[in-house]
Amino acid sequence: NAGVTQTPKFQVLKTGQSMTLQCAQDMNHNSMYWYRQDPGMGLRLIYYSASEGTTDKGEVPNGYNVSRLNKREFSLRLESAAPSQTSVYFCASSPWTGSFSGNTIYFGEGSWLTVV
Amino acid sequence: GNSVTQMEGPVTLSEEAFLTINCTYTATGYPSLFWYVQYPGEGLQLLLKATKADDKGSNKGFEATYRKETTSFHLEKGSVQVSDSAVYFCALLMNYGGSQGNLIFGKGTKLSVKP
Repeated sequence: NAGVTQTPKFQVLKTGQSMTLQCAQDMNHNSMYWYRQDPGMGLRLIYYSASEGTTDKGEVPNGYNVSRLNKREFSLRLESAAPSQTSVYFCASSPWTGSFSGNTIYFGEGSWLTVV
Repeated sequence: GNSVTQMEGPVTLSEEAFLTINCTYTATGYPSLFWYVQYPGEGLQLLLKATKADDKGSNKGFEATYRKETTSFHLEKGSVQVSDSAVYFCALLMNYGGSQGNLIFGKGTKLSVKP
């Protein structure tokens, strides 16, 4: 089972360059998320999409844009990369059937991004 | 606001030792609670969860009990193995506007188990 798949796994960018991180899930989940992980900070939510056609800001959205292309795919774009965006990025998804207590979030394997 | 606090690491133990990683939370309402594990170079995997007070989540010998009175969800294992070496994250799941769940993470605790 593929689960949540994100690409690329590793990327080095120069300051000011743009790039898109791709994410796809094959679990027919309604909700998808992008997190970043920084040393000593845990994971912080960048953007999320509760359902196809909707997106909302999370805790740290500045410098990012997202697109929920269809139910399976949720991309994260850095328009003008900055060194502060050097991080590990995780895509995630959840079924969100409407039962709050039963919800669980599943993660991809991560994308290591370095901005020089 | 809602938050998760977990003990700072790193935690270094010998094989077969008893493990406790403390986690406490602050939340309005009644969150679901989770432990995720991250092995070196990999993504996060769900280890266990509990959705209401007094629930006990368990998996792979790990256990955690949702204690509403102490707002805690401490992770325990009776006998750790070298293969348990990883970073462990405590997290809570809250609604956003009543229609969406989102995870709030602690900062992670690195566990190293020596043979």
